[in-house]
Amino acid sequence: EDQVTQSPEALRLQEGESSSLNCSYTVSGLRGLFWYRQDPGKGPEFLFTLYSAGEEKEKERLKATLTKKESFLHITAPKPEDSATYLCAVRPSGTYKYIFGTGTRLKVLA
Amino acid sequence: NAGVTQTPKFQVLKTGQSMTLQCAQDMNHEYMSWYRQDPGMGLRLIHYSVGAGITDQGEVPNGYNVSRSTTEDFPLRLLSAAPSQTSVYFCASSSRGESRVAGEQYFGPGTRLTVT
Repeated sequence: EDQVTQSPEALRLQEGESSSLNCSYTVSGLRGLFWYRQDPGKGPEFLFTLYSAGEEKEKERLKATLTKKESFLHITAPKPEDSATYLCAVRPSGTYKYIFGTGTRLKVLA
Repeated sequence: NAGVTQTPKFQVLKTGQSMTLQCAQDMNHEYMSWYRQDPGMGLRLIHYSVGAGITDQGEVPNGYNVSRSTTEDFPLRLLSAAPSQTSVYFCASSSRGESRVAGEQYFGPGTRLTVT
């Protein structure tokens, strides 16, 4: 069965304290892996798409990486405005269905 | 571009009532989908469509109905509301993702539904 697991559920960081969020996935074949950011009371906002193992994407303080079993979202020197829930999703090959993890709630303290 | 719009933003229903949640997109995306988001459960796919006239079931379709008569609109109908349908509902759209493009989704602001 295709599934996505994110860890940790919640993470508190001091401003400037770098860390990583994990997304483990099990699919028969991977069409794409996606990262989203969700602020309270709003819809998810697209961040990155990764297609194959070894691929990396960067945007400001965020860097997403992909292996055959998991993806990491690295946050370098975070700021309070990076506080949000980060969602990971996969699209298995041969399907139009997207499977989401339950997210990591990140709080960055000033 | 307005992106993906949803109406209403908030709704309270009594058990047994029916209603339609509206979703529209102006990006000419072929793919549209509906999710519900519940605490601790993540986003779960209700129904999706890969083009006008084509719909299919997701993970949790029971109690919901959809149709896709135009590329732009994808309404979600609650046939007979139940308290278990209290949730936040998100509509999303993307390109279908042909070739190497997997199709990242763009989400609306959500509809917060309470069924009493």
